[in-house]
Amino acid sequence: AQKITQTQPGMFVQEKEAVTLDCTYDTSDPSYGLFWYKQPSSGEMIFLIYQGSYDQQNATEGRYSLNFQKARKSANLVISASQLGDSAMYFCAMREGQLRSQGNLIFGKGTKLSVKP
Amino acid sequence: EPEVTQTPSHQVTQMGQEVILHCVPISNHLYFYWYRQILGQKVEFLVSFYNNEISEKSEIFDDQFSVERPDGSNFTLKIRSTKLEDSAMYFCASRQAGFEQYFGPGTRLTVT
Repeated sequence: AQKITQTQPGMFVQEKEAVTLDCTYDTSDPSYGLFWYKQPSSGEMIFLIYQGSYDQQNATEGRYSLNFQKARKSANLVISASQLGDSAMYFCAMREGQLRSQGNLIFGKGTKLSVKP
Repeated sequence: EPEVTQTPSHQVTQMGQEVILHCVPISNHLYFYWYRQILGQKVEFLVSFYNNEISEKSEIFDDQFSVERPDGSNFTLKIRSTKLEDSAMYFCASRQAGFEQYFGPGTRLTVT
């Protein structure tokens, strides 16, 4: 079974509008972390936001917020006020286990976001 | 702002040749990783490295792969005898004790 599922291969959003990118995960470990990375066409991986499994509040970083629903095992990324520069691939990833473990990331297949002017 | 650097940005090699990909992690980071991304696919974990030894590796990381931290700054991935299916973007990442892994810009490996 997939550990990280991103069901939207591609999404379109109008500039200045908000968009939600879906991510569901599967783990039996009570301690885990969830990440979102942005990959522009240039190829680099840019860290956006992190949510720990024990965090009480949803993570926010500027225009990015993570809608964490633990019981549903979902960690959707919300981008507010979309900009043309937000057009990119977005990957959801999970780290299983305690932070002291080596913490390799498991990635989803990604969602390609296109922002329309 | 400190960043992970990788060289070369693009490497072309012939099948069967050895390649070494270079990474300089962020200087005070403790954990180091290699990932790969075959074109159009998801990023896959290869290996993690901590305290001068491999701490975890995936099934992709077979005997043709090796990693080294030859000095205090470099972290290398060696592929001994490249195959066509090794063509991919290879990312190095590092983290300190915290959560975020910071990725380098990647090396695109093309095996012909």
